Amino acid sequence: DSGVTQTPKHLITATGQRVTLRCSPRSGDLSVYWYQQSLDQGLQFLIQYYNGEERAKGNILERFSAQQFPDLHSELNLSSLELGDSALYFCASSPTWAGRINEQFFGPGTRLTVL
Amino acid sequence: GDSVTQMEGPVTLSEEAFLTINCTYTATGYPSLFWYVQYPGEGLQLLLKATKADDKGSNKGFEATYRKETTSFHLEKGSVQVSDSAVYFCALSTTSGTYKYIFGTGTRLKVLA
Repeated sequence: DSGVTQTPKHLITATGQRVTLRCSPRSGDLSVYWYQQSLDQGLQFLIQYYNGEERAKGNILERFSAQQFPDLHSELNLSSLELGDSALYFCASSPTWAGRINEQFFGPGTRLTVL
Repeated sequence: GDSVTQMEGPVTLSEEAFLTINCTYTATGYPSLFWYVQYPGEGLQLLLKATKADDKGSNKGFEATYRKETTSFHLEKGSVQVSDSAVYFCALSTTSGTYKYIFGTGTRLKVLA
């Protein structure tokens, strides 16, 4: 158990819909990262938040957005869903102290299926 | 830009065989390098890491050495077990201040009894 929790575990929805994925980082970790794992694209970095502020953006579509709340949990919002958005979405958190700042701990993932 | 290249899988070995999974990288600066393992239906678990040239990461019998001259971080294990069957990902952490990961495509390992 990495200490990172993600809900829900599975999500099935229809094209055009909007969903919210939730992530709670390990206690004390300020950074949260979101990744998408799909068969054709592999594991792709989407976005990073640090202590409530957006820190970096990767291959995140404009239909997707995220935020990190004062209690440090994060949500990834996916809207106008398309079949191609079906994937595993992982959240990871990382410590803030030197020596382990680039070590990420991954949650179990949310499997999104768009029908 | 930064990238990671892993050998294509799947790799199928008999129990107690020697394992090598190749990983090479392209990066500016001095990235940290990682191997993660993903068991069926689970998230990614850190297997080992190395943060500078010539560092050797090791864990659970797995080893990898950070080779700057060949830009490689090959994963090795002397004697694999059936329980090692999983997908292995090589990754680098950028030094641009965000520490985001860039992953290889993953290599599926299947170990037969």
